[in-house]
Amino acid sequence: DTGVSQNPRHKITKRGQNVTFRCDPISEHNRLYWYRQTLGQGPEFLTYFQNEAQLEKSRLLSDRFSAERPKGSFSTLEIQRTEQGDSAMYLCASSWDKDTQYFGPGTRLTVL
Amino acid sequence: GDSVTQMEGPVTLSEEAFLTINCTYTATGYPSLFWYVQYPGEGLQLLLKATKADDKGSNKGFEATYRKETTSFHLEKGSVQVSDSAVYFCALSEGYAGGTSYGKLTFGQGTILTVHP
Repeated sequence: DTGVSQNPRHKITKRGQNVTFRCDPISEHNRLYWYRQTLGQGPEFLTYFQNEAQLEKSRLLSDRFSAERPKGSFSTLEIQRTEQGDSAMYLCASSWDKDTQYFGPGTRLTVL
Repeated sequence: GDSVTQMEGPVTLSEEAFLTINCTYTATGYPSLFWYVQYPGEGLQLLLKATKADDKGSNKGFEATYRKETTSFHLEKGSVQVSDSAVYFCALSEGYAGGTSYGKLTFGQGTILTVHP
């Protein structure tokens, strides 16, 4: 059990570019969550997968955001046409049950 | 919707002092309650949890009791150490009797704790 991993750890991009982040959950965890955390705030829920099915999406997830978990293992989060307001830490968490989520180290996105 | 309110920080204490970080919540149904900790340069870690009213979560000398009547889940530690310096987040996950809960977490804004020797 190597924990939840996220890549890249840091991403700097220019406004208008597309970015994609990857999350590798703990093996055999069927639940996977994405959150966004801005400076000085707690994480905010973005979306939830159970196996490969995306079962819940926050209203924060605009149509520029898309997430996938094609084989029920790793997940990707893509942001199209990035804006400066997208600058944040993007966190992934996985779990076997609804009450114990394990978080990855996060991907810090800076949009210039 | 569900929400979590934490006492504003930062909190600065001397080693061996008593710690309380207040947390109150608003939720429908029967939420589970959590404290997460984020040490400098590290990811979020689950510190403790309580899944029903009157349950007490405890870990590493920290405790919190799920108080439904006051909708609170205050974090306490009798004697803090320098190594407890971190950001502490109170959180809840929705819970519906007889319904589907996906477990998404709603977090408070976090409280920065600094402990001096």
